[in-house]
Amino acid sequence: DSGVTQTPKHLITATGQRVTLRCSPRSGDLSVYWYQQSLDQGLQFLIQYYNGEERAKGNILERFSAQQFPDLHSELNLSSLELGDSALYFCASSVAIGGQYNEQFFGPGTRLTVL
Amino acid sequence: AQKITQTQPGMFVQEKEAVTLDCTYDTSDQSYGLFWYKQPSSGEMIFLIYQGSYDEQNATEGRYSLNFQKARKSANLVISASQLGDSAMYFCAMTSYAGGTSYGKLTFGQGTILTVHP
Repeated sequence: DSGVTQTPKHLITATGQRVTLRCSPRSGDLSVYWYQQSLDQGLQFLIQYYNGEERAKGNILERFSAQQFPDLHSELNLSSLELGDSALYFCASSVAIGGQYNEQFFGPGTRLTVL
Repeated sequence: AQKITQTQPGMFVQEKEAVTLDCTYDTSDQSYGLFWYKQPSSGEMIFLIYQGSYDEQNATEGRYSLNFQKARKSANLVISASQLGDSAMYFCAMTSYAGGTSYGKLTFGQGTILTVHP
């Protein structure tokens, strides 16, 4: 158990819908990262928050948004869902914003299926 | 830009033997970190080992060691005394620390599926 929690574990929804994925980082970790794992794209970085502020963006679609709350949990919002958004979404956390020895620990993931 | 290359889509090893999973990386940054993660069939990502670019010694964590060859830009994972539970997908990843923007986003390779035979 990494100490990072994600809910829900599975999510099945229809095209055009909106969903929210939730992540609670390890105790003491200030950075939260979101990654998407799909068969065609592999593991891709989406976005990073540090202590409530957005710090880095990857290939995140405009239909996707995220935030980190004062209690440091984070939510990833996916809207106008398409079939291609079906993937495993991971949240990871680390103590620092970056730098050496800033290991990232991953949650169990949320498997999103868009029908 | 950073790039990770894992050239072995699949590897097979006999139980109790050692196996090496290859990883090469590309970055123009001098300060970076290299990671290995294990993803079993259940899907979770398990952190295994980390090597910093300034570390002079290879990282070791139990049965895992990282063969770091900086000049060749390789960071191979060595698993000693393989166990059936080691069967999983293994990902090499890196993060670079470019000046003041030392953010920790990871770039992953495509992964290697390891199968341990009894």
